Amino acid sequence: KAGVTQTPRYLIKTRGQQVTLSCSPISGHRSVSWYQQTPGQGLQFLFEYFSETQRNKGNFPGRFSGRQFSNSRSEMNVSTLELGDSALYLCASSLAVGRRTGELFFGEGSRLTVL
Amino acid sequence: QKEVEQNSGPLSVPEGAIASLNCTYSDRGSQSFFWYRQYSGKSPELIMFIYSNGDKEDGRFTAQLNKASQYVSLLIRDSQPSDSATYLCAVNTGGFKTIFGAGTRLFVKA
Repeated sequence: KAGVTQTPRYLIKTRGQQVTLSCSPISGHRSVSWYQQTPGQGLQFLFEYFSETQRNKGNFPGRFSGRQFSNSRSEMNVSTLELGDSALYLCASSLAVGRRTGELFFGEGSRLTVL
Repeated sequence: QKEVEQNSGPLSVPEGAIASLNCTYSDRGSQSFFWYRQYSGKSPELIMFIYSNGDKEDGRFTAQLNKASQYVSLLIRDSQPSDSATYLCAVNTGGFKTIFGAGTRLFVKA
């Protein structure tokens, strides 16, 4: 069974640019969550999608957005990049059944460097 | 107050000892509790989940939950050098959001 696939794995951008990251969940998983991981802040919740609907959002500015497609694949976008957006962006998929919603399976992440 | 708090460590234990990792959470309505392990340069992987008060054992790992005290712990028996990693406590509040603690770094000395 294929795991969670994230692309691209590494990318370098400059301040002011925008970036789009992609995530393909495990087959059969309809929930996709996105997290930002930095050494200082740890894993910070960005948003969660289920059946193309955003069900919850973390405390990030509106520059961070996402969407989910009918095949459960998800993308997140960060516009007007700032230096502080440099981080590992992790996507996680879940069966999202009852209490198992928090059983997350992570991709390898997309490491973004903003110069 | 952070939603999920963990001692950042590092926690250092000798090989064969019991490693005890602790976590507290602030939302009394939290329903599901998880422990993830993250090796350096890798993504987190789920190692334990617990939903009810008490203990849950899986091999060398035991998760303990005390909802009244809002406390979750993970015990690793017969610790091995391969257990050296960062352990992340995670809590799902039922609102389609799983919140992670900052993690505890564990070193197991051979």
